[in-house]
Amino acid sequence: EPEVTQTPSHQVTQMGQEVILRCVPISNHLYFYWYRQILGQKVEFLVSFYNNEISEKSEIFDDQFSVERPDGSNFTLKIRSTKLEDSAMYFCASSAPGDQPQHFGDGTRLSIL
Amino acid sequence: RKEVEQDPGPFNVPEGATVAFNCTYSNSASQSFFWYRQDCRKEPKLLMSVYSSGNEDGRFTAQLNRASQYISLLIRDSKLSDSATYLCVVTYSWGKLQFGAGTQVVVTP
Repeated sequence: EPEVTQTPSHQVTQMGQEVILRCVPISNHLYFYWYRQILGQKVEFLVSFYNNEISEKSEIFDDQFSVERPDGSNFTLKIRSTKLEDSAMYFCASSAPGDQPQHFGDGTRLSIL
Repeated sequence: RKEVEQDPGPFNVPEGATVAFNCTYSNSASQSFFWYRQDCRKEPKLLMSVYSSGNEDGRFTAQLNRASQYISLLIRDSKLSDSATYLCVVTYSWGKLQFGAGTQVVVTP
């Protein structure tokens, strides 16, 4: 069964450093998303992406965040200057056209020191 | 008021028993509804979509009540492997999933 893959599985970064989280969505999917989950809290929407542009973003997704689809397969989330409160699990998801369910990758655990 | 509310549980369920729990949502413009399950420190996995007429998938039955703005999930003949956190998920704008905080289910031998 096709799946969303994310790398790395765990990223440890010093506060203030830039970090890039990578995702390879399911190949025939056209809609891509990032979510985060702080330990012990609920999953929160960050951003959705379609046709090479952001469709919607949450208030969490401020100027420190950006997304990119640099080639035909990868979808990345960049945090420019990380803060302690960015420590969380980051999930990438993708979906097929037509209001189909989103399928999640197994996440990147980001730890900011 | 939280946009998607769930009883956090835990619901302790003997193996073989039935368990049911609800989720309420605040935005009447909500369009699509899902149940996901999440195991500890893992990604959410789609359990089932929820349709207006109600739908069943094996031992799982989901219902949607748009008038009262709640969704329910019923698990019959619980298995140990059903132990997880069940996430109620609602969309009301394109693509953006709104998650509840989850209901924890613990199935005991």
